Amino acid sequence: DTEVTQTPKHLVMGMTNKKSLKCEQHMGHRAMYWYKQKAKKPPELMFVYSYEKLSINESVPSRFSPECPNSSLLNLHLHALQPEDSALYLCASSQGLAGGLETQYFGPGTRLLVL
Amino acid sequence: AQSVTQLDSHVSVSEGTPVLLRCNYSSSYSPSLFWYVQHPNKGLQLLLKYTSAATLVKGINGFEAEFKKSETSFHLTKPSAHMSDAAEYFCVVSGVSGYSTLTFGKGTMLLVSP
Repeated sequence: DTEVTQTPKHLVMGMTNKKSLKCEQHMGHRAMYWYKQKAKKPPELMFVYSYEKLSINESVPSRFSPECPNSSLLNLHLHALQPEDSALYLCASSQGLAGGLETQYFGPGTRLLVL
Repeated sequence: AQSVTQLDSHVSVSEGTPVLLRCNYSSSYSPSLFWYVQHPNKGLQLLLKYTSAATLVKGINGFEAEFKKSETSFHLTKPSAHMSDAAEYFCVVSGVSGYSTLTFGKGTMLLVSP
């Protein structure tokens, strides 16, 4: 089973709201990722967690706050977002971070609209 | 540093005809290379990957890709297109050193007509 699940599938929020995106995998993977994808563009890496610790933050604004409560779960907390943050947010996981040999498995994404 | 160039932003084929999606890469190391497919409003699905074993890699749904080091290419092919193949395709390179971060090409939209 190579399934990564994400909830919700769609989210509409105002600029003053606080919301969270959730990602879950049960493949025993120890690395998890958040990506942002704008329309007709490739995904852009936001955060990487390895063994539940933040390994990479690609200079993401603080209105995005990741959290990895355990090895199967990854959250992305959203606060005071801007309309330009509207995008598809993708979660991925891999066995580890062993250089280029790991395969990342992606979830279906959460489509976020900020009004 | 590494980079990926997908040579066509759009490719149009008729159902039943061959598919060729072109990808060139640049990497300081022996790279791992992937093709992912993304159907409209969906996540990315792994089609196939190359990790320095056989240069001809077979993937799902009849797709395959050939790693050519001399040409720094990793083109994706399928002998006969199906309507369900219509999607965005991303060629991706992963660095050998350090973290397993991916460098994506800009994507190729495959259009399949009846």
